[in-house]
Amino acid sequence: DAGITQSPRHKVTETGTPVTLRCHQTENHRYMYWYRQDPGHGLRLIHYSYGVKDTDKGEVSDGYSVSRSKTEDFLLTLESATSSQTSVYFCAISATGATNTEAFFGQGTRLTVV
Amino acid sequence: GENVEQHPSTLSVQEGDSAVIKCTYSDSASNYFPWYKQELGKGPQLIIDIRSNVGEKKDQRIAVTLNKTAKHFSLHITETQPEDSAVYFCAARDFGNEKLTFGTGTRLTIIP
Repeated sequence: DAGITQSPRHKVTETGTPVTLRCHQTENHRYMYWYRQDPGHGLRLIHYSYGVKDTDKGEVSDGYSVSRSKTEDFLLTLESATSSQTSVYFCAISATGATNTEAFFGQGTRLTVV
Repeated sequence: GENVEQHPSTLSVQEGDSAVIKCTYSDSASNYFPWYKQELGKGPQLIIDIRSNVGEKKDQRIAVTLNKTAKHFSLHITETQPEDSAVYFCAARDFGNEKLTFGTGTRLTIIP
């Protein structure tokens, strides 16, 4: 299995509080991604990174920010959590991009906003 | 951007029979189409992929076909086994960037 660790694995938080999810990799892969998974929507890209301090938005980026200060860590922050952000969040990594090489996924973080 | 539609959303087949999952995409310039399998409580895992210069690819009991003209691709699983029960996702590459657009998933159940 690719070396990807997501933390925490489960979290319950209150509406309006900030939340940070962490993705840590030991593969030295260039690309890192954050997806959310919801019933009926599949996997939707939130943000991705193509290098240290290089990030770009995905299709559902509103309400989320990211940071990548080191190759191995990609943080996803919900500045003020809302109930619509209750979801399962997956981090993924790939060597040269998700296009022609395999993207490896983490185990997921289940976030509940109450 | 790319739009990927996946059907059916649920599929039940008898053990030993074949299963077929179909996807269509909108961007004719897309050139990479992977399939992922997600088991309960785990992250998705690549099972097979195909590039636009190939019409079919096989890997043991799994095959993927691509029709560029019609902009659709399909996953075929033959001689299904209980361990094939999972959620399957198709995806297509957004031309010009490094993002994958996923379908909405198919929950496949193999009936013993």
